[in-house]
Amino acid sequence: DQQVKQNSPSLSVQEGRISILNCDYTNSMFDYFLWYKKYPAEGPTFLISISSIKDKNEDGRFTVFLNKSAKHLSLHIVPSQPGDSAVYFCAASAKDSGNTGKLIFGQGTTLQVKP
Amino acid sequence: KAGVTQTPRYLIKTRGQQVTLSCSPISGHRSVSWYQQTPGQGLQFLFEYFSETQRNKGNFPGRFSGRQFSNSRSEMNVSTLELGDSALYLCASSLGQVGRNEQFFGPGTRLTVL
Repeated sequence: DQQVKQNSPSLSVQEGRISILNCDYTNSMFDYFLWYKKYPAEGPTFLISISSIKDKNEDGRFTVFLNKSAKHLSLHIVPSQPGDSAVYFCAASAKDSGNTGKLIFGQGTTLQVKP
Repeated sequence: KAGVTQTPRYLIKTRGQQVTLSCSPISGHRSVSWYQQTPGQGLQFLFEYFSETQRNKGNFPGRFSGRQFSNSRSEMNVSTLELGDSALYLCASSLGQVGRNEQFFGPGTRLTVL
């Protein structure tokens, strides 16, 4: 049962344009969402997070939007740069204390930003 | 502040052997979580330790175990290795607060089982 889904395995955008990465989840207990970027042979790097009490969080070129009713979140990167080319993972965690320290990850989306 | 470190970075073992992986969290972080990454299954949660206690556990067999020391460093052990245990093992540290879960990952240990 895939509780966090990233339905697009890959995305290609032109440098300077917007990249939009999407993520859907099924578990209504999820209340905290995170995006990570991963280069080959490295661990994931934390990018940005959002609590379920918000619908938007912004950090520089990165903005995450959360639509709780649709159980959908997206990561916008504006403007996209070639260095953004990597695999992006969406992750979620549930509010109850029995799930501390546990992130559920999507399968990842490979972003390629072309110069 | 130094990041999360993991040793060794690469490991080759044969079936039936056991292996111990080590993780040093970011200074001040009391929670360490372990994940297994494989091409087919993606990133899967193994377990989490907080203040030397296992606080949460994923759906892995008992061959996978761990512990945490008083300085928050953590080790993960896999006994009776199987070919399917070949994976990238990642540890992540966080403050361990319920409700917020920013975890910071180490570079991983690449385990190959022959």
